[in-house]
Amino acid sequence: DTGVSQDPRHKITKRGQNVTFRCDPISEHNRLYWYRQTLGQGPEFLTYFQNEAQLEKSRLLSDRFSAERPKGSFSTLEIQRTEQGDSAMYLCASSSAGGAHSPLHFGNGTRLTVT
Amino acid sequence: ILNVEQSPQSLHVQEGDSTNFTCSFPSSNFYALHWYRWETAKSPEALFVMTLNGDEKKKGRISATLNTKEGYSYLYIKGSQPEDSATYLCAPYMKTSGSRLTFGEGTQLTVNP
Repeated sequence: DTGVSQDPRHKITKRGQNVTFRCDPISEHNRLYWYRQTLGQGPEFLTYFQNEAQLEKSRLLSDRFSAERPKGSFSTLEIQRTEQGDSAMYLCASSSAGGAHSPLHFGNGTRLTVT
Repeated sequence: ILNVEQSPQSLHVQEGDSTNFTCSFPSSNFYALHWYRWETAKSPEALFVMTLNGDEKKKGRISATLNTKEGYSYLYIKGSQPEDSATYLCAPYMKTSGSRLTFGEGTQLTVNP
């Protein structure tokens, strides 16, 4: 078990470009979460998958954001037409089926800078 | 929007000092509280998951207490070490939250040798 891995670690892009991030959760975890963290703030919830089903999306997640988890394993988060306000650390986490009693296991995050 | 407050925002202590932080959250619809430690350049790491009023959990020199009736939790670090320097995040899980944890802004601890 190598933990949750995210790729890439850093991404610099120009405003208006599309970017895609990948998350590989712990293999036996069926729950997968995406969070976003900006400087001085705690992580903000973006979306949640149970297996391949996207069960919850934050209102923060505009139409430019889309997430998938096609086979219930890895997940991708795509941001279309990036804006400077999208610059943040994007964190992926996974947990087992224990719900609120199960701690989240986070990856190292992808730091996005939009210039 | 769930109001989660952590105080202080930042804290500088000397090696060997004991310290504590506070996490406040709404007491109604409470289900569980998570504490995480986030060291620079690493991923957030779970410290505790607490559910019952009066819960007290301990991991080495770090301990936490929970008061669900008044909506707060304390995190204590005994004999702080430089390696304790990190941001400590709390996140309540409410019955009305769906599947999301709502994180506070964190307390940034710096332990000076």
